[in-house]
Amino acid sequence: EPEVTQTPSHQVTQMGQEVILRCVPISNHLYFYWYRQILGQKVEFLVSFYNNEISEKSEIFDDQFSVERPDGSNFTLKIRSTKLEDSAMYFCASSGGPGPPGDTQYFGPGTRLTVL
Amino acid sequence: RKEVEQDPGPFNVPEGATVAFNCTYSNSASQSFFWYRQDCRKEPKLLMSVYSSGNEDGRFTAQLNRASQYISLLIRDSKLSDSATYLCVVNSLYGNKLVFGAGTILRVKS
Repeated sequence: EPEVTQTPSHQVTQMGQEVILRCVPISNHLYFYWYRQILGQKVEFLVSFYNNEISEKSEIFDDQFSVERPDGSNFTLKIRSTKLEDSAMYFCASSGGPGPPGDTQYFGPGTRLTVL
Repeated sequence: RKEVEQDPGPFNVPEGATVAFNCTYSNSASQSFFWYRQDCRKEPKLLMSVYSSGNEDGRFTAQLNRASQYISLLIRDSKLSDSATYLCVVNSLYGNKLVFGAGTILRVKS
């Protein structure tokens, strides 16, 4: 069964450093997403991406964040200068298309980001 | 008002019990509805999509009431492996953004 994969599973970084989180969405999917979950809190939307551009972003997704699809398979989230409050689990998701049932999103296993 | 609201629980039930979770959502323009389950420190995994006509998948039944903006999940014959957090999730029409509830914790005990 196709699945979303993410690397690394755990990333530890110093405050102010740049991190890049990587995702490989399901191969025939066209819509890609990043969500985050701070420990003990709910899953929050960060950004959606379609046709090589951002289609929607949340208030959390400020200028420190960027996304890119550098090739036909990878989808990355970059945080330019990490802050302590960026510590969270980051989930990548993908879906086949707009509207049901294609809008069902499948999640990767997540990257746990720890900012010291 | 929260966009998606759930009773956090925990629901502590014995094996074999039937348990029901409820959820309300605030955006009447929402188009798609889902239940996901999340195990501790793992990713959300799709349990089932929820349709207006209601749908059943084995021991799980989901219902949607658009007029009341209410979604439910019924689990029959609970198993130990059903212990998890159940997330009510709503998809906004624009941009396919998923909005998550905070989750309902289920603990099934032998």
